[in-house]
Amino acid sequence: NAGVTQTPKFQVLKTGQSMTLQCAQDMNHNSMYWYRQDPGMGLRLIYYSASEGTTDKGEVPNGYNVSRLNKREFSLRLESAAPSQTSVYFCASILGYYGYTFGSGTRLTVV
Amino acid sequence: AQKITQTQPGMFVQEKEAVTLDCTYDTSDQSYGLFWYKQPSSGEMIFLIYQGSYDEQNATEGRYSLNFQKARKSANLVISASQLGDSAMYFCAMRDFLGAGGGADGLTFGKGTHLIIQP
Repeated sequence: NAGVTQTPKFQVLKTGQSMTLQCAQDMNHNSMYWYRQDPGMGLRLIYYSASEGTTDKGEVPNGYNVSRLNKREFSLRLESAAPSQTSVYFCASILGYYGYTFGSGTRLTVV
Repeated sequence: AQKITQTQPGMFVQEKEAVTLDCTYDTSDQSYGLFWYKQPSSGEMIFLIYQGSYDEQNATEGRYSLNFQKARKSANLVISASQLGDSAMYFCAMRDFLGAGGGADGLTFGKGTHLIIQP
């Protein structure tokens, strides 16, 4: 099925561990995004990639790195996880100006 | 910088009544887009409706309409004839066309309104 696929769906990490959240889209979209959602908050932009080979910081980039591996894949890496990074992470891609498609989210808990 | 304000943290509405969810925005840009998303308890983000800043008509999509008042910088979502399945979080969001607002590309979200439809 066409769309945005995120893996894993759930993850528990210990403080200081590292992990990579994977995102892939099969819609040939140029722009891809990583957001985080905390309780009582809307989604906040972590990083985005306007096209293959480019990445830029969003509102809350500290503690994260990203890689736009190719046009399909955009990964988010936590090098040393902290409890403050406990959140739900959404990947999204867009065609044109307003055709956003969101993944189903990754629920991350850092203990 | 762009900002979205949703002043209703939670709302209770009787089934079949119409619902208005408030959204005000702040931007210095002339070209921007306004979005509403629904997030049910399962967690996915469901696109509902879009309004461009230059669109002269208010956007409508089935039971959803967007009451766009540009001078007041408001973009309220109206749900007609509410149903039990409308119970969810609702987010208003904005994107400017060229990133001229000085922020990053991508959507700026409000904090959301938790809508509960009662039978």
